[in-house]
Amino acid sequence: EGQLVESGGSVVQPGRSLTISCKASGFKFGDFAINWVRQAPGKGLEWVGCFRSKAYGGTVHYGASVRGRFTISRDDSKGIAYLQMNSLKTEDTAVYFCGRKNQIDMWGQGTLVIVSS
Amino acid sequence: DVVLTQSPLSLPVTLGQPASISCKSSLSLVDDDGNTYLTWFHQRPGQSPRRLIYKVSIRDSGVPDRFSGSGSGTDFTLKVSRMEAEDVGVYYCMQATYWPRTFGQGTKLEI
Repeated sequence: EGQLVESGGSVVQPGRSLTISCKASGFKFGDFAINWVRQAPGKGLEWVGCFRSKAYGGTVHYGASVRGRFTISRDDSKGIAYLQMNSLKTEDTAVYFCGRKNQIDMWGQGTLVIVSS
Repeated sequence: DVVLTQSPLSLPVTLGQPASISCKSSLSLVDDDGNTYLTWFHQRPGQSPRRLIYKVSIRDSGVPDRFSGSGSGTDFTLKVSRMEAEDVGVYYCMQATYWPRTFGQGTKLEI
């Protein structure tokens, strides 16, 4: 069946950077797109971005609110995806989930990022 | 960006009674490949979302058959035929036809 495990969330000051990770196990990581989705406290789900598999060109797409500040990467040999977040703002405070496939059939448990001075 | 509008945003339901959630898209979600990539998720408090239905009406393995999805083009519906206690939580629709992907605002189902 497999699973995804996020890690690396922490408290960070506005304007600083943070990189969080998504570690996959139990399936062939390189065959699947990996999405990042976030959820601010008490709010709904917001799609952050996606790194498609090599079979679909390995293209990367971002939501408008993070484009130019966030970068998604992946290491298929290690089964890990990363979300590098630069120029963080207080409104980036959220639980960050990674999810498998375009229609997200599998989710991680999430990692909390708090942007605060 | 494609806007998904869910209604209602909150829905009190009696145990054993049906519930219905609407998700309306600002653009047709029919992809060039002929598929419609409209997905439904359920999220309980403090938990990660769980996918229930994909491509409008295909139920995931292990999802009770009291859940059903329907619709086409821009109008979609998730139905629960008989509400059970474990069905409380927030339900989201998401489209995976266009970039960027977008979610509906969420509908809170409560007893």
